[in-house]
Amino acid sequence: KNEVEQSPQNLTAQEGEFITINCSYSVGISALHWLQQHPGGGIVSLFMLSSGKKKHGRLIATINIQEKHSSLHITASHPRDSAVYICAVKRVIIQGAQKLVFGQGTRLTINP
Amino acid sequence: GAGVSQSPSNKVTEKGKDVELRCDPISGHTALYWYRQSLGQGLEFLIYFQGNSAPDKSGLPSDRFSAERTGGSVSTLTIQRTQQEDSAVYLCASSLGGRTNYGYTFGSGTRLTVV
Repeated sequence: KNEVEQSPQNLTAQEGEFITINCSYSVGISALHWLQQHPGGGIVSLFMLSSGKKKHGRLIATINIQEKHSSLHITASHPRDSAVYICAVKRVIIQGAQKLVFGQGTRLTINP
Repeated sequence: GAGVSQSPSNKVTEKGKDVELRCDPISGHTALYWYRQSLGQGLEFLIYFQGNSAPDKSGLPSDRFSAERTGGSVSTLTIQRTQQEDSAVYLCASSLGGRTNYGYTFGSGTRLTVV
């Protein structure tokens, strides 16, 4: 079983719909990232969360540490939101340093 | 620099040849990470540098893979005797430090194709 599980793996929606992508993890973490990867491979860090909720424009990310679960929401979705969204958790490796462990990603397609 | 720079952006090599991938992190970022994304697969951790030292090399898939970082800045990932299964996008990321919850900045990656 992967340490980080995302659902759904693929999501297709119509422009304007409210989108939710879920991430569950099974290990202790210091923080959780939501990343966006567009065709061509470039990765952008959207959020880094260690508790509660963060909002940036139409994007909202929440995390529940006790339940080991995070969600990424997109309001008023737009075709330009089409991308792969990746959940990644920060784990301590050694000497206090940390690495990211990634979920498999959710491929989001927003149709006009 | 303004962002994490990786070169080359694309590399096609013949099986058995050696390749060298370069990552130039954001100036002042002491932590540097290499990740790999194989076709249809998720991202996997390869190696982490704090300054010039690599306290965690556990993700390197075989002894054909090595990495170094000099001057606490540029890092090179070397793959010797490349195999077709090495084909992937190799991503570099940097952050201000490895011990604290600093955010990451990713480079655009190097797409390696071994033919």
